[in-house]
Amino acid sequence: GAGVSQTPSNKVTEKGKYVELRCDPISGHTALYWYRQSLGQGPEFLIYFQGTGAADDSGLPNDRFFAVRPEGSVSTLKIQRTERGDSAVYLCASSNTRDSGGYTFGSGTRLTVV
Amino acid sequence: DQQVKQNSPSLSVQEGRISILNCDYTNSMFDYFLWYKKYPAEGPTFLISISSIKDKNEDGRFTVFLNKSAKHLSLHIVPSQPGDSAVYFCAATTTGANSKLTFGKGITLSVRP
Repeated sequence: GAGVSQTPSNKVTEKGKYVELRCDPISGHTALYWYRQSLGQGPEFLIYFQGTGAADDSGLPNDRFFAVRPEGSVSTLKIQRTERGDSAVYLCASSNTRDSGGYTFGSGTRLTVV
Repeated sequence: DQQVKQNSPSLSVQEGRISILNCDYTNSMFDYFLWYKKYPAEGPTFLISISSIKDKNEDGRFTVFLNKSAKHLSLHIVPSQPGDSAVYFCAATTTGANSKLTFGKGITLSVRP
């Protein structure tokens, strides 16, 4: 596709449940990022992939959060035992590391934990 | 600890006038700065960037100024248009740090027709 695609666009889940959020980056982009944007805040870094490997996962808040990118393209962010504080918009971005500009974000998945 | 600060939550300007959006940072390791624009229900869109080796970068109606000694940057939009109404995020990174961005909280710009 032409842009970064994120599915679902909205997800409502009950506290304690497991959720998966999917990101389909721009074709050929080797770098993929996940950010989380809480209400009234700017996006906060979660994890960065270069190819299949997580090059930097320092932003993951705790071990309930995990992300994979098994074939170096689509990535899945997984959240176990969801808590109400996990409610936020989860943004994915990708880039061609040779680009001098910023990377391209998807529209995000709005996660609401009730 | 907010390393990138956008202290004004909102700004309202008249169409045709200049909009000036300010941003301050505390981490002296930051050497590359970006501005993103965000409409509701969409992801942030890259607008303009500046390297720390420059003090100005211009792209059409948008100009970013960097004052390294003051750890301050600003985005100037002139002339402002109603379609510029959006949330603007300032972001910073350190070259070689995997391009991980640190964002400010954003400024909501409203351009009145």
